[in-house]
Order: sequence, then C-alpha cells, then structure tokens
Amino acid sequence: EAGVTQSPTHLIKTRGQQATLRCSPISGHTSVYWYQQALGLGLQFLLWYDEGEERNRGNFPPRFSGRQFPNYSSELNVNALELEDSALYLCASSLSAGVTEAFFGQGTRLTVV
Amino acid sequence: ILNVEQSPQSLHVQEGDSTNFTCSFPSSNFYALHWYRWETAKSPEALFVMTLNGDEKKKGRISATLNTKEGYSYLYIKGSQPEDSATYLCAFRTMEYGNKLVFGAGTILRVKS
Repeated sequence: EAGVTQSPTHLIKTRGQQATLRCSPISGHTSVYWYQQALGLGLQFLLWYDEGEERNRGNFPPRFSGRQFPNYSSELNVNALELEDSALYLCASSLSAGVTEAFFGQGTRLTVV
Repeated sequence: ILNVEQSPQSLHVQEGDSTNFTCSFPSSNFYALHWYRWETAKSPEALFVMTLNGDEKKKGRISATLNTKEGYSYLYIKGSQPEDSATYLCAFRTMEYGNKLVFGAGTILRVKS
C-alpha cells in the first residue's frame, strides 16, 4: 500500500513568488495535516483538513492557505514568498475519527532565494 | 496557545547507555499522546499512541509511560544503539483544539559507538 506522497521533493522560488505543494494521503485517510519545520525549529502546525474542509489552522499569516480535494489529496499554497518561508514542509494523513496514528510523507524542501 | 514541551533539547550518549526524555502537555481535555521517531532524510515514524492515564507501551528496547493527570509522558531507551540516533517527537491531541496533533520541538538523540 502506498504511503503518503508529497511533491515536489525540492522547490526553489524567488521572493514574492507563489509556491504550491501537494500531498496525497494514504488510501482511506480523510484527514490531512500540514506542518512546517524551519531551520533550527520544531514542527509547527500549519493546517488541518478533514473531509474536504479546513478544520483548524496554526499561527501563520493568511498567505499560507490550502485546500483538500474530493479525493482527499491536498495542496498547500504559499503566496508572496519571504526568505523565512524556506523550510521543510511535511504532510501527514490519518483516519478522521478516533485516536489514530498520523503517517507522514517525505516532505517538500522549499528554498526561497 | 497549546504548548507541548520536550526535554532535553538534545542528548549525546554512549552505546549501551540507557536514556529517557520527557514530554509535557496540558493536562486538561486530554485525548491522546503520540510518540514519533524521525531519522534524518526519512519521514517521522509512529512509535506509540497512548490514551489512558498510567498507560505503558513497549516496542523492543523502547518504552513509554503516560501520566495524564500531571501532563507528562516519558520515553525510555534501554541499551542505546547507534541506530537509535534520531529526533524523538511527541504530539498531543485534545478535543478542545479539534483533535488536531500538536507537536513538541523534539529531542535529538545521538548515540556514539
């Protein structure tokens, strides 16, 4: 069974541009989480989608947004990129209900120059 | 703001040493506590999910305990091996925050042979 897949693996953008990161959850998982790990910091919660709706978002500016599609895959969009947006972005998926593990993808390394 | 704190931030031990780390979380509205291991260049991998006060989980040389009343969990590694070198993350779920996973910053373990 395929795990959580993220694309692209690496992304280089210039300041002011937009970045789109993609995540395909494990089959049957309806919840998708997005996290950011900036250099030297821990995992920071960005967004949580479940059943196509945004359920919660972390303390990030509105230029961080996303969506979840009917097949439960998800996109994270970062507008007006800033240098400090350079980070590893991890996506995780889980079953919607109950106490379940979240399974992570390999991440997208975003570099803003 | 929901804070999950992990200590120590990093740990260097010799092969064969036993070690433990702490995860502290808010004790109110507890739902579940997760431990993950994150090796370099890999995805975080789930170790344990714990839900009940007094829970103890074990996987090989790694074990974890949970105290929901006082809001902490310990992760123990017996007889550390170089392959145990990784970042150990704990994540907390509370229904108060919509059941999302909130991660601590992690404890970096380096085991020298």
